[in-house]
Formats: sequence, C-alpha cells, structure tokens
Amino acid sequence: DAKTTQPPSMDCAEGRAANLPCNHSTISGNEYVYWYRQIHSQGPQYIIHGLKNNETNEMASLIITEDRKSSTLILPHATLRDTAVYYCIASSGGATNKLIFGTGTLLAVQP
Amino acid sequence: ETGVTQSPTHLIKTRGQQVTLRCSSQSGHNTVSWYQQALGQGPQFIFQYYREEENGRGNFPPRFSGLQFPNYSSELNVNALELDDSALYLCASTPGQGLDYGYTFGSGTRLTVV
Repeated sequence: DAKTTQPPSMDCAEGRAANLPCNHSTISGNEYVYWYRQIHSQGPQYIIHGLKNNETNEMASLIITEDRKSSTLILPHATLRDTAVYYCIASSGGATNKLIFGTGTLLAVQP
Repeated sequence: ETGVTQSPTHLIKTRGQQVTLRCSSQSGHNTVSWYQQALGQGPQFIFQYYREEENGRGNFPPRFSGLQFPNYSSELNVNALELDDSALYLCASTPGQGLDYGYTFGSGTRLTVV
C-alpha cells in the first residue's frame, strides 16, 4: 500500500469549508484513496473513498488529481463537531482489507 | 443498526497476565478486524477474520490471537501482557471482504498494563 503524507494540523473557521490535503505520490493504479476521521475518545469513522473520479456524499467531497498523486478532502461547511484527526489511506484492499493508518491531520474548527 | 460494540470499555491488567477483549459486529457484517492504537499514533492492524477464519495478520507476535464466532462476534486474546501492550484496542466490521463498504469501528477498549 502506498505511503501517504498529511500535514499534522490545520485550523478552520466554523461555517467555512475545510480543505484537507493528502499526498500519495507512489500510489498504484489499483489503489483507492480512503478517508476516515477519529473524534476524541471514539473509533475511526469512514468518510469517503475514490479511485480516480471525484466523489461526493452527505459528509464530504473527495477531489483526486488527474495524476492521482494527491487528493483533497473537502468538508463544505465545517462545524465544531468536525474537530477530529483525519486519516488519508491508500489501499488496494485485497483479501486482507487492512487499513494502514498514518498519524493523520488534526483539524481544529474554531468558533 | 446497533453498530459495533466492544467490552469492556476500560481494563487494567498486570504484566504477564492474559486478557480477552470482546466485539459484537454490526448486524449483517461478516468480516471483523482488530486494531491497536497507542497514544498519539494511528491504529495499527492486528488481524482480520472472515467467516470464522483468520485471513490477514499484521506485524504482531503470536501471543495476540483471536476468534470469530458463527454470529460473527469476535474476541481478541493477548497472552503474557507487556507494558507496551497498553493501548486502545479497536474492533471494526464490514459486510464483505472488500474495502468498498467502509469499516464501522467500535469505540474501543482502553487496556492499561501495569
């Protein structure tokens, strides 16, 4: 599975869009990009995933560059409850389906 | 949906003891994975069970073992506890073997080894 690089922390004003970047320059053609988040004292929560097309769901949007070497998770209207550690993971899945978590980005949403 | 439930929520054990952690997967989920999360780190994959068989293992010694039952609930057993085993242990379930479904995680068991 490809290594991902994320900034250790970011701030965002409440109500504004939060744009969380992730670099995955060694990603291979069959690897998806997954995003999870972990709110303090809880287990990680699945947000979204994609292969090469941009994806959107009720929680967020995922923008993947054409060369697939980087991606951005967008929370369109951040709230205080979005304060969490956000993990970007590149994985082909396979039979073992393991997720390799890095240290993620701590997003602090400010009032 | 009841989600993934883990028990106990907190546990204190002495070095050298054995511990069993339990996980009830979300209804309809037949795949369960266990992760260890040390303080300040991301979760680390321990192993995964699919239909009662282990089908993937991370870089953990054999004293970490598991079971999955016919109702898809699961146990994580750790023998000969070491101080470094102190961590949050997370259970996650998914309805199939692919990652397309997304994992549902429990809130974890906080294990402290003294």
